[in-house]
Amino acid sequence: GESVGLHLPTLSVQEGDNSIINCAYSNSASDYFIWYKQESGKGPQFIIDIRSNMDKRQGQRVTVLLNKTVKHLSLQIAATQPGDSAVYFCAENIGSNDYKLSFGAGTTVTVRA
Amino acid sequence: DTEVTQTPKHLVMGMTNKKSLKCEQHMGHRAMYWYKQKAKKPPELMFVYSYEKLSINESVPSRFSPECPNSSLLNLHLHALQPEDSALYLCASSQDGLPSNTQYFGPGTRLTVL
Repeated sequence: GESVGLHLPTLSVQEGDNSIINCAYSNSASDYFIWYKQESGKGPQFIIDIRSNMDKRQGQRVTVLLNKTVKHLSLQIAATQPGDSAVYFCAENIGSNDYKLSFGAGTTVTVRA
Repeated sequence: DTEVTQTPKHLVMGMTNKKSLKCEQHMGHRAMYWYKQKAKKPPELMFVYSYEKLSINESVPSRFSPECPNSSLLNLHLHALQPEDSALYLCASSQDGLPSNTQYFGPGTRLTVL
């Protein structure tokens, strides 16, 4: 895993290992968070979301953790596969504006065979 | 079905051309968005339509002109673009734009301005 709160632009993972992608957000008023996956040449694809009244949410092979105390969001991918190679963006909805999502810089995940 | 479609997939145009990008969704969503994405950067919001009315314009130059003919369609009209406007243009939609309504993205149109 990576240090809590540290965003890395790239992550190289051995196939079959677990991946942890981190994201820090700045606005304590943010109440909704989304992770998107963007493969080369494609649009962002919704992976999982979480609301601020939750700490953890699980999907298929993915888990999102929210730590509001330190304003940190993470995405865990279990048993990483070659198809997981992509850029991962976190996004937050800043509650004062209904429509806008604020995106993080993105983390490029490369899966090594 | 969470599909947003965009046409064309690729577009090359000169600085004097007029072209249009098209976006369509049949999920009954009432909010639709245009984003611009440069290589290795996150998407940047350009416009938001809610219930077919322009809700947000993020100070986009007038050479980009959005249009929402009906609740399923969103167009982006392009005129007199500059080479720096070359980018991936993404369309997205969401249920009604309220907080916690997930935005679903189309595959994008790769635009090159010569």
